[in-house]
Amino acid sequence: AQTVTQSQPEMSVQEAETVTLSCTYDTSESDYYLFWYKQPPSRQMILVIRQEAYKQQNATENRFSVNFQKAAKSFSLKISDSQLGDAAMYFCAYRSAGESSGDKLTFGTGTRLAVRP
Amino acid sequence: DAGVIQSPRHEVTEMGQEVTLRCKPISGHDYLFWYRQTMMRGLELLIYFNNNVPIDDSGMPEDRFSAKMPNASFSTLKIQPSEPRDSAVYFCASRPQGRGQPQHFGDGTRLSIL
Repeated sequence: AQTVTQSQPEMSVQEAETVTLSCTYDTSESDYYLFWYKQPPSRQMILVIRQEAYKQQNATENRFSVNFQKAAKSFSLKISDSQLGDAAMYFCAYRSAGESSGDKLTFGTGTRLAVRP
Repeated sequence: DAGVIQSPRHEVTEMGQEVTLRCKPISGHDYLFWYRQTMMRGLELLIYFNNNVPIDDSGMPEDRFSAKMPNASFSTLKIQPSEPRDSAVYFCASRPQGRGQPQHFGDGTRLSIL
């Protein structure tokens, strides 16, 4: 079974600075998808960014980018120019691309990000 | 476009009562998912549907839980009878067909069983 590990329960960043959230995963599959979701205090689950394992290029969405290291099974999220609105819980998630694996998203335990003004 | 709509947003009820959570997926999305979020267990997939058909219900905790999707625009998650350990935030999510399409989540229902 796949597992997703977020080893940083809490992180803090100064406004306008850059922060990197770590995520590692364990899988024997070669084709899969990875996602970062943001959960602010309002409790919505908001998709931040996604990565397809067969694409070597790291995904980028405005101030958010990932460092995808397939061999190391690492998928970190970098937030540049941090804003107060970035304060939230961030979840890393894995999904197999295989038909037989179903459609299950496996989530990490989350990293709570605080942004200092 | 409207996102995934869940109701109620909050539910407080007494142990033993029946609870029904509702979800309207995004129009055109073929997959619908029910998740439960607790401090102890994080986010867990309970069940998901494809084209209104339940595909995987292995995450449903026990027979007290049931889920239905009578049509493409509506799903329910029912707990009967409810117990205090069912207290959690329940999320519904949907996604369209297609490789790598992400799931879009509703705002969740915070359920408290007294």
